[in-house]
Amino acid sequence: QLQLRESGPGLVKPSETLSLTCTVSGGSISTSSYYWGWIRQTPGKGLEWIGSINYSGSTYYNPSLKSRVTISVDTSKNHFSLNLSSLTAADTAVFYCARRTGLLSFDYWGQGTLVTVSS
Amino acid sequence: SYVLTQPPSVSVAPGQTARITCGGNNIGYKSVHWYQQKPGQAPVLVVSDDSDRPSGIPERLSGTNSENTATLTISRVEAGDEADYYCQVWDSISDCLVFGGGTKLTVL
Repeated sequence: QLQLRESGPGLVKPSETLSLTCTVSGGSISTSSYYWGWIRQTPGKGLEWIGSINYSGSTYYNPSLKSRVTISVDTSKNHFSLNLSSLTAADTAVFYCARRTGLLSFDYWGQGTLVTVSS
Repeated sequence: SYVLTQPPSVSVAPGQTARITCGGNNIGYKSVHWYQQKPGQAPVLVVSDDSDRPSGIPERLSGTNSENTATLTISRVEAGDEADYYCQVWDSISDCLVFGGGTKLTVL
């Protein structure tokens, strides 16, 4: 059974850069059939797609966040990572990683990790 | 950017049918996916590509998509169906994956 798990700091200061990693187990990240993505959910609100990457490093990002986002992949560690820069309180959210199918849906999700931006 | 509009809430009695809509300009030409999210949990894909159910999703959940509205229908609603539901599409014009604002389903 495929599992995804997010890891990273729970608290980050304003103006700093958030770094999160999603470790994939029960399957290989090095498959051409899927992309891997990051989605966030602000407290009490809806879902927002951040960006996605495939095993070869091809990326695409939400245009509204593109200037602050970098997603990378490390196939040797079977994980992919998110960097989000210039943080403000508005970036406080639960961050999920997920597997994106060829139909552009997300069929496997991590449990999510809460990141709070505060001094 | 492409906007998906969902009603904030839908209420239904147990055993009845719940219909949750997702409005978007010519959404009928897009592939719509639906997620169920219970409190404190990650979203779960319940309908893919307008009307396909992933393995393990009960037949009571079904989807349709036409013109400017996609609909998730939950038949014979149970207490366990109480959750937030989100629709999602890919918008090729803005090159962006878009979620609707979510609908809270309350089972009376």
